[in-house]
Amino acid sequence: DAGITQSPRHKVTETGTPVTLRCHQTENHRYMYWYRQDPGHGLRLIHYSYGVKDTDKGEVSDGYSVSRSKTEDFLLTLESATSSQTSVYFCAISDGTSGSLNEQFFGPGTRLTVL
Amino acid sequence: AQSVAQPEDQVNVAEGNPLTVKCTYSVSGNPYLFWYVQYPNRGLQFLLKYITGDNLVKGSYGFEAEFNKSQTSFHLKKPSALVSDSALYFCAVRVTDSWGKLQFGAGTQVVVTP
Repeated sequence: DAGITQSPRHKVTETGTPVTLRCHQTENHRYMYWYRQDPGHGLRLIHYSYGVKDTDKGEVSDGYSVSRSKTEDFLLTLESATSSQTSVYFCAISDGTSGSLNEQFFGPGTRLTVL
Repeated sequence: AQSVAQPEDQVNVAEGNPLTVKCTYSVSGNPYLFWYVQYPNRGLQFLLKYITGDNLVKGSYGFEAEFNKSQTSFHLKKPSALVSDSALYFCAVRVTDSWGKLQFGAGTQVVVTP
């Protein structure tokens, strides 16, 4: 999976609790992305980062925040988890050497269940 | 705004037969199109992309895709399917004027039977 790890791989939590998912890369790629995957919706972008401390919202960012203090780490936080945030979360990276036309490489995913 | 549609939720094909997975897109400006595959319990893997040039793009694992500007389509093809090609396939288009953001289709499940 192209030097990308996600932790934890599985998590069960309760409604209202904060949750942080971690994405770690060893490729030194500039761009990092968080997606969620739900049946019938494909992958939807939550947040992305185009450099250290540079982040922006995707199409489904409500209820989520991110931080990137180092090139290699991109954290996704669910501030107060809800059942609608039960999903599989994927991190992706891209090196951007061809502008924005590079393919993305995906991590193995985190399966999150909010009870 | 841009969008991508995969009109088939599932495609069933016998091993050895040709495989086609359909994708149509809507985008202002030049389309930059991608295909990814997802095997069970795995992340997505890049198959191929169209940026410019030849309308027939060759990718990994014997897959190719045909870009058709007049029909706004980017169908994925494989001449002879294998059982191991059974997976979930996603078409994606780059979001216009963005730094690498992609808009994904809903995905097509491919089932190849022996």
